[in-house]
Amino acid sequence: LAKTTQPISMDSYEGQEVNITCSHNNIATNDYITWYQQFPSQGPRFIIQGYKTKVTNEVASLFIPADRKSSTLSLPRVSLSDTAVYYCLVGDTNFGNEKLTFGTGTRLTIIP
Amino acid sequence: KAGVTQTPRYLIKTRGQQVTLSCSPISGHRSVSWYQQTPGQGLQFLFEYFSETQRNKGNFPGRFSGRQFSNSRSEMNVSTLELGDSALYLCASSLGTGSRYGYTFGSGTRLTVV
Repeated sequence: LAKTTQPISMDSYEGQEVNITCSHNNIATNDYITWYQQFPSQGPRFIIQGYKTKVTNEVASLFIPADRKSSTLSLPRVSLSDTAVYYCLVGDTNFGNEKLTFGTGTRLTIIP
Repeated sequence: KAGVTQTPRYLIKTRGQQVTLSCSPISGHRSVSWYQQTPGQGLQFLFEYFSETQRNKGNFPGRFSGRQFSNSRSEMNVSTLELGDSALYLCASSLGTGSRYGYTFGSGTRLTVV
């Protein structure tokens, strides 16, 4: 079964770039990597998704090395409103039965 | 367009009772997944339905069950509630199944078992 590992928490100052890394050593060939943001008492919100190399949208970038055993979510110029828990989601293919496994989540705190 | 709607938002039940939670997916989405979130265990996958068929199932006891209707709406049922079932139950919908599809989550149902 694929297992994902993220740092439990991170602090950063407003205006800085934040990079959160997720380790997923057993990622399968067909699995995609998706990152979500969650605020207290709300459902996770989709941030970005990728399969390999680099993906960028209006809020973040996702870097995936060639071996795909890890991925890094990059948030440019964070603000206080970026304080949240960030989850890495990787497909978990076992005998063809793909179960989506969330990581432990990284609690990001932005300091004014 | 409307997002994923979960009802009710809050629920208090007594140990031993059963409960049914409802999820209305985004229009056009045919896949609905359910997750349990607790402070100790994080986000855990319960099951996923696609076109009224259960496609994937997590490691939860048989007390947890679900179904999906022809309009893609889904319900989750928990029988013989235990104190440990207190959690935020989240529903997510997507166009298809698998990690290649982005999932949109609802705001969840907060279940408290007393």
